[in-house]
Amino acid sequence: QQQVKQSPQSLIVQKGGISIINCAYENTAFDYFPWYQQFPGKGPALLIAIRPDVSEKKEGRFTISFNKSAKQFSLHIMDSQPGDSATYFCAARGSGSRLTFGEGTQLTVNP
Amino acid sequence: SAVISQKPSRDICQRGTSLTIQCQVDSQVTMMFWYRQQPGQSLTLIATANQGSEATYESGFVIDKFPISRPNLTFSTLTVSNMSPEDSSIYLCSAFPLNSETQYFGPGTRLLVL
Repeated sequence: QQQVKQSPQSLIVQKGGISIINCAYENTAFDYFPWYQQFPGKGPALLIAIRPDVSEKKEGRFTISFNKSAKQFSLHIMDSQPGDSATYFCAARGSGSRLTFGEGTQLTVNP
Repeated sequence: SAVISQKPSRDICQRGTSLTIQCQVDSQVTMMFWYRQQPGQSLTLIATANQGSEATYESGFVIDKFPISRPNLTFSTLTVSNMSPEDSSIYLCSAFPLNSETQYFGPGTRLLVL
């Protein structure tokens, strides 16, 4: 059972635009929600993360919005740049500190 | 954070053979994990590598196929046994540093089984 659903599967944005990726979860026991960025041939790199008692967290151009009642969270990339082109994964931490990952979003930022 | 290295970075293996992947972390960590990632797909957890005891496997993964060792707090190995072409994948090690709330990943091992 896929416990974290991520959309869209792919996203094309113009340089300077806003990229938005959404995730929804089912398990209310999840207690931490990181986002990872992965470039081809590399391992996933932690980008930003949030606890469920916080509604928003911003780090530079990256913002997580969290809606606990709806069990949804999203990543916003402001002023998107071609260097942001990568695959983004949302994740949720559950029992045993194990992470459940979303399906991934392939972001392309056109110059 | 933690710096995680994996060896080998890639390998091409013959059907029926086994490959051991090493994972080294530059600092002590509480937990280590092994994942599999098919090209273009998401990450699937194989097992939690427990220090000093047997690994904890996820549904669909068994110790005979994926034996794991973790002899100390900074090192772990994953063996892919009796390989078939279906085992071709990227294998990723991750670690949970002390005082961290989430995992950091190694660069991955790209395995092709012929």
